[in-house]
Amino acid sequence: DIQMTQSPSSLSASVGDRVTITCQASQDINNFLNWYQQKPGKAPNLLIYDASILETGVPSRFSGSGSGTDYNFTISSLQPEDAATYYCQQYDDLPVFGPGTKVDIK
Amino acid sequence: QVQLVESGGGVVQPGRSLRLSCAASGFTFSTYGMHWVRQAPGKGLEWLAVIWYDGSNKYYADSVKGRFTISRDNSKSTLYLQLNNLRAEDTAVYFCAREKLAAAYYFDYWGQGTLVTVSS
Repeated sequence: DIQMTQSPSSLSASVGDRVTITCQASQDINNFLNWYQQKPGKAPNLLIYDASILETGVPSRFSGSGSGTDYNFTISSLQPEDAATYYCQQYDDLPVFGPGTKVDIK
Repeated sequence: QVQLVESGGGVVQPGRSLRLSCAASGFTFSTYGMHWVRQAPGKGLEWLAVIWYDGSNKYYADSVKGRFTISRDNSKSTLYLQLNNLRAEDTAVYFCAREKLAAAYYFDYWGQGTLVTVSS
């Protein structure tokens, strides 16, 4: 089974900061990597799919990159509404989510 | 607009069963694969199961294989999850989700979730 790790598990940053979250798979997942945002009490929201493709309607400050086993998710200029937990998810095999990264605003 | 509405959650004793439903509207349900994902209180997301658009294939996470069964009724635009032999660790919010493209397991629409509490 493919295992997913994310780092950091949490972070606190200021409005306007550049924020990067890393996701690592236990084996090559061939760019089959997605990113979701989840706010408390809400369902997750798809932001990025296939490692770097921005979902329709998602602000361009969100981006994804990576290949093989290592993937990054970046918020280029953190906004107050970006406070949430972010999950990566692979689907090279049956889906597995990463453990999540909680992003707070200082 | 696309809507997914889960129902059927509640409090159930260990060892008992429950059936969750997910009513879909706003899209052609019969042409989309559908998934169940759960989230234990204060924890992360756990993918549970997928059923292809026509019901021809179903796959499960190891953690629920043999206890949970995914099914669908395309005539009713409804997805189901049968939960058997429930355990305390099955306590979670259960979400249904639509896959954006056939066999591309990423999820562009989600329901609001239904809470299942397993407790004596």
